[in-house]
Amino acid sequence: GDSVTQMEGPVTLSEEAFLTINCTYTATGYPSLFWYVQYPGEGLQLLLKATKADDKGSNKGFEATYRKETTSFHLEKGSVQVSDSAVYFCALGGSNYKLTFGKGTLLTVNP
Amino acid sequence: DTAVSQTPKYLVTQMGNDKSIKCEQNLGHDTMYWYKQDSKKFLKIMFSYNNKELIINETVPNRFSPKSPDKAHLNLHINSLELGDSAVYFCASSRGLEWQETQYFGPGTRLLVL
Repeated sequence: GDSVTQMEGPVTLSEEAFLTINCTYTATGYPSLFWYVQYPGEGLQLLLKATKADDKGSNKGFEATYRKETTSFHLEKGSVQVSDSAVYFCALGGSNYKLTFGKGTLLTVNP
Repeated sequence: DTAVSQTPKYLVTQMGNDKSIKCEQNLGHDTMYWYKQDSKKFLKIMFSYNNKELIINETVPNRFSPKSPDKAHLNLHINSLELGDSAVYFCASSRGLEWQETQYFGPGTRLLVL
């Protein structure tokens, strides 16, 4: 079945540091890939997505590229801010009509 | 304007009670979902409905019963609550079932069973 593996946190960075959160997946067919973010006390919201191989999703300075050859969708940001502190979820949308989520990575950015 | 809303936001109750959580979306979407998030933030789908028809019913105790009176609403009723039901429950919606569709989440209902 479909599965998503993302790096376990927590991740703690200083403001303006470079961020990478790794995500790899296993799926049949050609899934869509997503990064969702959950700020404290809130629901999840879409950060970015990619629907086919080599697509790059980007939003708010975050980027991720759908790499079919390495089955990966790593999240990157060049300079994090305190306001980026949240839990980040990698997710896969597959042919079974559901999103399969990774376990989430807690990011804390210190001033 | 709230896109996906849930009530109540917090729910504290005793073991054995029956409770309901309501969800409404004003996005005009055809598909709605219920997810459970445990204390470690792990998120797992419970149910999905498309045009009021049940599509996904994961391995969930039959004490949990979803009901979709119309496309804009998906409620979750839980009978005989147990300690292990304590979690955050999220409702979500999407335009359709296609796997590239973005899901829009509600703010969550924090359920604590004592």
